Amino acid sequence: EVQLVESGGGLVQPGGSLRLSCAASGFTFSSYWMNWVRQAPGKGLEWVANIKEDGSEKYYVDSVKGRFTISRDNAKNSLYLQMNSLRVEDTAVYYCARGGYTYAFWGQGTLVTVSS
Amino acid sequence: EIVLTQSPGTLSLSPGERATLSCRASQSVSSNYLAWYQQKPGQAPRLLIYGASSRATGIPDRFSGSGSGTDFTLTISRLEPEDFAVYYCQQYDNSRTFGQGTKVEIK
Repeated sequence: EVQLVESGGGLVQPGGSLRLSCAASGFTFSSYWMNWVRQAPGKGLEWVANIKEDGSEKYYVDSVKGRFTISRDNAKNSLYLQMNSLRVEDTAVYYCARGGYTYAFWGQGTLVTVSS
Repeated sequence: EIVLTQSPGTLSLSPGERATLSCRASQSVSSNYLAWYQQKPGQAPRLLIYGASSRATGIPDRFSGSGSGTDFTLTISRLEPEDFAVYYCQQYDNSRTFGQGTKVEIK
């Protein structure tokens, strides 16, 4: 059974940093593109970033370029999102999702709240 | 960036009725790289349709997708109680973007 479990969310002040993790199991992690997708409270979905199977390609939505870094450790079956210079508007549930184009498998999400 | 505009914002229908949801793209979506998702409160989204018209694994045949270019449609032929939810379209032709969602609520 495919499982994706996010962790690392919490309350952080504007300008602060946070690192999210996503632990994958039930499939060959190193064979799939992986993504971070977020959802602000009461709002829609926003794709944030993705990373190729071997980590050699990474892409970001414009609003997080230069602040967020996606990475992966295939030996640990884990996906990460390093978030720096956080803004109030980054407040959201962050989901990890499997796939290069569409996302058939999602985690349950982890809440990031940016507030003073 | 391809902007996806979904309409209507809210659709009020009764169980057994037909639901027609629209997704319009700001520019043509090549190769019909358009997907639909369903999301219920407190849950992660669920993939329904990919390639504009192909049902994902395990999706009932009352869900169907159609369209091409800039205009796409998700149709639910007969609403079941579990279908009341928010629906999002997503394009994967040029980067990745989602529409703002259509809520299907019980009338």
